[in-house]
This record gives sequence, C-alpha cells and structure tokens, in this order.
Amino acid sequence: DSGVTQTPKHLITATGQRVTLRCSPRSGDLSVYWYQQSLDQGLQFLIQYYNGEERAKGNILERFSAQQFPDLHSELNLSSLELGDSALYFCASSARQGALLGDTEAFFGQGTRLTVV
Amino acid sequence: GENVEQHPSTLSVQEGDSAVIKCTYSDSASNYFPWYKQELGKRPQLIIDIRSNVGEKKDQRIAVTLNKTAKHFSLHITETQPEDSAVYFCAASGAGGSYIPTFGRGTSLIVHP
Repeated sequence: DSGVTQTPKHLITATGQRVTLRCSPRSGDLSVYWYQQSLDQGLQFLIQYYNGEERAKGNILERFSAQQFPDLHSELNLSSLELGDSALYFCASSARQGALLGDTEAFFGQGTRLTVV
Repeated sequence: GENVEQHPSTLSVQEGDSAVIKCTYSDSASNYFPWYKQELGKRPQLIIDIRSNVGEKKDQRIAVTLNKTAKHFSLHITETQPEDSAVYFCAASGAGGSYIPTFGRGTSLIVHP
C-alpha cells in the first residue's frame, strides 16, 4: 500500500457526461500529480499541484481541470467526456515539489479506471 | 519539450537470462531518470533512479546506466525471475527547471520459467 488513495476504483459513464476523480495523498505529502494511462500510450502527465497551487501542466485537455484543497486532497474533473477519454487515471504524491527530480520518491495510487460508453 | 523513446516495447526472456531496456531522451538539460515497474492491474512503483552526475547505479539484480553524451540510459536486470514480469517505464525530467516528467511508452517484460 503506497498510502495514496484514489476513488472510485472503477467508473463507467456515458459520452458527454462529467465525472470527478478523487485523490488523497500520503500523509504529509504536499505535491500531487495526475497521469492518464491509455492502452499502449504509457503514462501521460496531466497536471501537478503543490500545497494548493498549480505548479506544472502537461498535455491536459481544456475539458479537464483539477484542484487541490486545503486538506491537500485533489480532484480531477473530466467534462464533455468522449470515448477516447477511457483510460486509467493515476494520482501520485510526494513530499516536495520536485519529487520526480529525485528530491523524494513519488508514490502512485491504485488508479481509477474510467470507461466512457 | 522533452521526448523519451523506449525500446523494445516487448521483451521475452527465459528465467535466469538478463534483460536490457533502453531509453533515449531529447533534451540534454534533463537531469533525473527514474525507472518504474508496473505489474498487471497495479500502480507504477519506482525501482531505481539515476541523476545526471552519475554514470551507473546498481541495486541487487537491477542496474541503470546513463550516457549523457548520447542522451541514452538503460535498465539492466540480471538473473531474471518470473516475478520480474511487468511493464517497465523509463522517465526523464529536470530540463530547464521544469518539473514535468516525461515517460517512455513502456516495455512489457515476460520472463518464462
């Protein structure tokens, strides 16, 4: 168990709908990262938050948005869903901003599998 | 932005053999290169990492090498075991002070008993 909790584990919804994915980081971790993993596409970085503020953006669509709350949990909002949005969405957390620069290890949650039908 | 290429996409070996996965990156300013292992249906987990000021790092049966001049880094697994079967991802980050990590597309390693 990495200590990072993601809910729900599975989500099935229809095209055009909106969903919210939730992530609770490890206790004490300030940084949260969101990734999308589609079949054969590897891990695509979406966005990073650090202590409530957005710090880095990757290939995140305008239909997607995220936020980190004062208690440090984060939510990823996906709207106007399309079939191509079906993927596994991972959240990772680390203690410091530059975790994936080697300052501290980034720990991944178990992911939310989103299926758009 | 950074581009990371990873090869091969699939690697099949016999138990006890060695496995090598190779990655190249495009931005010479990248300075941190982690490797993650993802077992089927599970989350990615960091298995080893290397910084740009180091040429090689080893942890038991796993080693990573980095050639900054060629912008190339590799993961070496010796004496492979069936439990090594998983998808392995390389990543590069740190270019231009950016925290955005770029992952390779992954290598599916299959170790046959």
